Amino acid sequence: GAGVSQSPSNKVTEKGKDVELRCDPISGHTALYWYRQSLGQGLEFLIYFQGNSAPDKSGLPSDRFSAERTGGSVSTLTIQRTQQEDSAVYLCASSLRTAHEQFFGPGTRLTVL
Amino acid sequence: AQSVAQPEDQVNVAEGNPLTVKCTYSVSGNPYLFWYVQYPNRGLQFLLKYITGDNLVKGSYGFEAEFNKSQTSFHLKKPSALVSDSALYFCAVRAANQAGTALIFGKGTTLSVSS
Repeated sequence: GAGVSQSPSNKVTEKGKDVELRCDPISGHTALYWYRQSLGQGLEFLIYFQGNSAPDKSGLPSDRFSAERTGGSVSTLTIQRTQQEDSAVYLCASSLRTAHEQFFGPGTRLTVL
Repeated sequence: AQSVAQPEDQVNVAEGNPLTVKCTYSVSGNPYLFWYVQYPNRGLQFLLKYITGDNLVKGSYGFEAEFNKSQTSFHLKKPSALVSDSALYFCAVRAANQAGTALIFGKGTTLSVSS
């Protein structure tokens, strides 16, 4: 079956611009996670959606970051007024509510010039 | 606070030799432990997990990991390394009483297998 997909695969933007990153989870997976992978920093949790519950936004680094999940499926991560330190690979993962392992998409590489 | 430590940034082994990638963790209560592998320009792939039961867990591609509660470790092992095992490996943890929450990842260990 289809795995987690993310688009775009690469995004280059200028400092101060807004960007939107998209994640399509595996069909039927109710949990969706966003992580950020920076060079030498490992994976940093950003936000977590579980079904219709309020999302866990505790990992968002600033109020420039926000995310939505429409219809319990597709999610969009929005970064407003991008800064150079936002440059990273943004990874999306999904899982079944009762499962433990998460399945990751290929990521979006964001470069802020 | 939960945390994961991967003390080695890089591990170098010769093809055919056994490999170990180290991981220690800190979590309140019982841990759920995971290993993921990342090949260049690819997302993370799940390798194996420890939830409960046998301390020795077998996973994909011949990898295994041993849960040691007293040492709070979950080292990844393989008896005979392949050049194709060269990749970035991540250990992750979640507290058992926090099912469904995000995983806490280590910073990763680059495994380099030479022919």
